[in-house]
Amino acid sequence: QQQVKQSPQSLIVQKGGISIINCAYENTAFDYFPWYQQFPGKGPALLIAIRPDVSEKKEGRFTISFNKSAKQFSLHIMDSQPGDSATYFCALGKGGSEKLVFGKGTKLTVNP
Amino acid sequence: NAGVTQTPKFRILKIGQSMTLQCTQDMNHNYMYWYRQDPGMGLKLIYYSVGAGITDKGEVPNGYNVSRSTTEDFPLRLELAAPSQTSVYFCASSPNRGGTGELFFGEGSRLTVL
Repeated sequence: QQQVKQSPQSLIVQKGGISIINCAYENTAFDYFPWYQQFPGKGPALLIAIRPDVSEKKEGRFTISFNKSAKQFSLHIMDSQPGDSATYFCALGKGGSEKLVFGKGTKLTVNP
Repeated sequence: NAGVTQTPKFRILKIGQSMTLQCTQDMNHNYMYWYRQDPGMGLKLIYYSVGAGITDKGEVPNGYNVSRSTTEDFPLRLELAAPSQTSVYFCASSPNRGGTGELFFGEGSRLTVL
């Protein structure tokens, strides 16, 4: 059973546009929600993470929005750049173990 | 700044062969993990370890074995390779700072079983 559903599978955005990737989950036992970025041929790297006690976290052009009641969270990339072209994974974590459950990923392409 | 180092980067195996994927980290992290990544499927946890001498199964452990004799090393053993084990394997480590969600990944080992 898929614990986290990520959408869309792929996304094409023009330079300067907003990229939005969504994730939904069922199990409320998870208590932190990181996003990872992966470039071709590289391992994933932590981009930004949020805990359910806040509804939004912003780091530069990247923002996580979290809706605890709807059990959904999303990544917004403002002013998207060609260098943002990568695969993005949302994940679910429980405090202490760091055993993350990953979404299936979204391949983002930002056209110049 | 080596971080997490995986070897080999690429390997082709014949069905039934065995091999070990090596992983070493120089960050003195207690927690280490092996994930596999298949196209369009995200990352699935194979095995993890919370410290030297302690390992446990993840979501997809069948066909694999691990050991953790030191803090630095966490090799993944494939016994009797099957085509279903064709994948990209990622080793990761974390300092376990109370749930930061931050894993440090290696660059991956691409395995093809023919």
